[in-house]
Amino acid sequence: KQEVTQIPAALSVPEGENLVLNCSFTDSAIYNLQWFRQDPGKGLTSLLLIQSSQREQTSGRLNASLDKSSGRSTLYIAASQPGDSATYLCAVPEVDAGNMLTFGGGTRLMVKP
Amino acid sequence: AAGVIQSPRHLIKEKRETATLKCYPIPRHDTVYWYQQGPGQDPQFLISFYEKMQSDKGSIPDRFSAQQFSDYHSELNMSSLELGDSALYFCASSRRWEAETQYFGPGTRLLVL
Repeated sequence: KQEVTQIPAALSVPEGENLVLNCSFTDSAIYNLQWFRQDPGKGLTSLLLIQSSQREQTSGRLNASLDKSSGRSTLYIAASQPGDSATYLCAVPEVDAGNMLTFGGGTRLMVKP
Repeated sequence: AAGVIQSPRHLIKEKRETATLKCYPIPRHDTVYWYQQGPGQDPQFLISFYEKMQSDKGSIPDRFSAQQFSDYHSELNMSSLELGDSALYFCASSRRWEAETQYFGPGTRLLVL
């Protein structure tokens, strides 16, 4: 069964900093990896999806990378803003289980003005 | 663009009551997933449906059941509710064999008193 881990669990940075969130997974046989954002008590917003054949995916100030062989993905946030404060979750589908997503524990990000 | 719709958005029930949560997937999406997110936890997969047939089962209690109807909407039925069932329940949809992004609904917040 896939296990997904995210570090750090929490991160507090001043506005303007570039930061990296890490995600690792145990089974490298994945179709894709998704990064989500979740505001407190709210739903999940999909930020980026990287297919297994890709190494990077970019959307605005966000850049996600994927290294399948080492079971790692990173989410890079450039020039962080207070509005980026949220929990960031990575998730991978269970290949032999109908693509149900297994989530990491999330990184709680606080960007201070 | 149309998103996943969930209803109700909030629900308060007493112990031992029943609850029905509804999910309307994005048009032309053939797969629906249900996830449960307890307080301070990451989402856990409950059950999924592909083309109106149950596809996979996760950590869904026997007190819960679900189905997908001919119009592809899905319902999660929860009976004999317990305090521990209080959580955010998400529905997600995707087009399965294209390994596409799972798009999440806003969730239903269930509080069992």
